[in-house]
Amino acid sequence: QKEVEQNSGPLSVPEGAIASLNCTYSDRGSQSFFWYRQYSGKSPELIMFIYSNGDKEDGRFTAQLNKASQYVSLLIRDSQPSDSATYLCAVNQDSGGSNYKLTFGKGTLLTVNP
Amino acid sequence: DADVTQTPRNRITKTGKRIMLECSQTKGHDRMYWYRQDPGLGLQLIYYSFDVKDINKGEISDGYSVSRQAQAKFSLSLESAIPNQTALYFCATSDGGVETQYFGPGTRLLVL
Repeated sequence: QKEVEQNSGPLSVPEGAIASLNCTYSDRGSQSFFWYRQYSGKSPELIMFIYSNGDKEDGRFTAQLNKASQYVSLLIRDSQPSDSATYLCAVNQDSGGSNYKLTFGKGTLLTVNP
Repeated sequence: DADVTQTPRNRITKTGKRIMLECSQTKGHDRMYWYRQDPGLGLQLIYYSFDVKDINKGEISDGYSVSRQAQAKFSLSLESAIPNQTALYFCATSDGGVETQYFGPGTRLLVL
């Protein structure tokens, strides 16, 4: 059973701080990694994805991937109250033609306090 | 207009009733998915379809069935609804490339 683990939180940070969200996964064959943001009662929306070890930056967001440690993280710089949401980590295994399915973590609730 | 739409957005039904949730997309994607989400839990895959003739069970398909009427339409049916099927249901699509999935707005289902 492939697993994706996230700390459920809540993670509370002050406005302007850096929020750090973490995710570990069990399947070493995993190839691509996604971060989704979900506001309460709304649908998940993609923030960014990463394939290669290292960092990938997009505006205030940075995804970090370490395949050796089976660890992916999302950093949010200059956190804003509008960033308050649940962040879902999702993992996909591309190998063997099985690139049909994302396995989602349960999400981390982030609260940014004004 | 939204790329992925779901109808109805909210539904209350009684135990034993048959209901259908519908999903339509204008993104031109071949792959479509149905998920359910329970409070505090992640997204669980119910069924997925790569094209009109290809439908596959996901992790929790028992009690559900699907129909892919066209590339753009994918319906989920609860043959005989039960209270533990109360959940938020999402349809999603992808182009099968990077497997980035795009979600519809969701249907909130309450089974009494």
